[in-house]
Amino acid sequence: SQQGEEDPQALSIQEGENATMNCSYKTSINNLQWYRQNSGRGLVHLILIRSNEREKHSGRLRVTLDTSKKSSSLLITASRAADTASYFCATDAGNFNKFYFGSGTKLNVKP
Amino acid sequence: DTGVSQDPRHKITKRGQNVTFRCDPISEHNRLYWYRQTLGQGPEFLTYFQNEAQLEKSRLLSDRFSAERPKGSFSTLEIQRTEQGDSAMYLCASSLPNSDGYTFGSGTRLTVV
Repeated sequence: SQQGEEDPQALSIQEGENATMNCSYKTSINNLQWYRQNSGRGLVHLILIRSNEREKHSGRLRVTLDTSKKSSSLLITASRAADTASYFCATDAGNFNKFYFGSGTKLNVKP
Repeated sequence: DTGVSQDPRHKITKRGQNVTFRCDPISEHNRLYWYRQTLGQGPEFLTYFQNEAQLEKSRLLSDRFSAERPKGSFSTLEIQRTEQGDSAMYLCASSLPNSDGYTFGSGTRLTVV
């Protein structure tokens, strides 16, 4: 399967701490995306990183991509209770037409 | 409203009944996707359209499932003879080609009893 797999499956931290989630995938990609999903809601696009990029920032988010290891990480700095959600990575299979999602990391930020 | 709209938000149906869901994408997005998500899992790709053409269908989409996008705008997903295993969240997303990501709707939660 081309699906990205996130690690850990669940993460619980205190407000103000940093949260790091990892994603591994199996085959070559063009792009990798990270999404957030609040319980029972649709997914919200956070950031896209292309295969020729190694690091990208957006506000409190930092995403890295290591194509040699077929892995990516999402770092949320100075977490807030509102960051509590599931986070998914999504990879294409060298195919711009669709993305494959992993099972997600469930993040709980305690106030 | 400039987002992706899905209707209905919730649907409870008896096994064996047919159901139809609607998705209205962002108007300038020519790509539209359907995904299915079960509890505790990530979304699984079902099918996608570029304009009115259905370009790819997953093997998950059995003969009981059909999707249309008749004028390249809104799309419908129909499930015939529903089964309990069809219970899931059905998510629609839209995008421009090679864009920086999908915009998802809030989904339609289907419960088959």
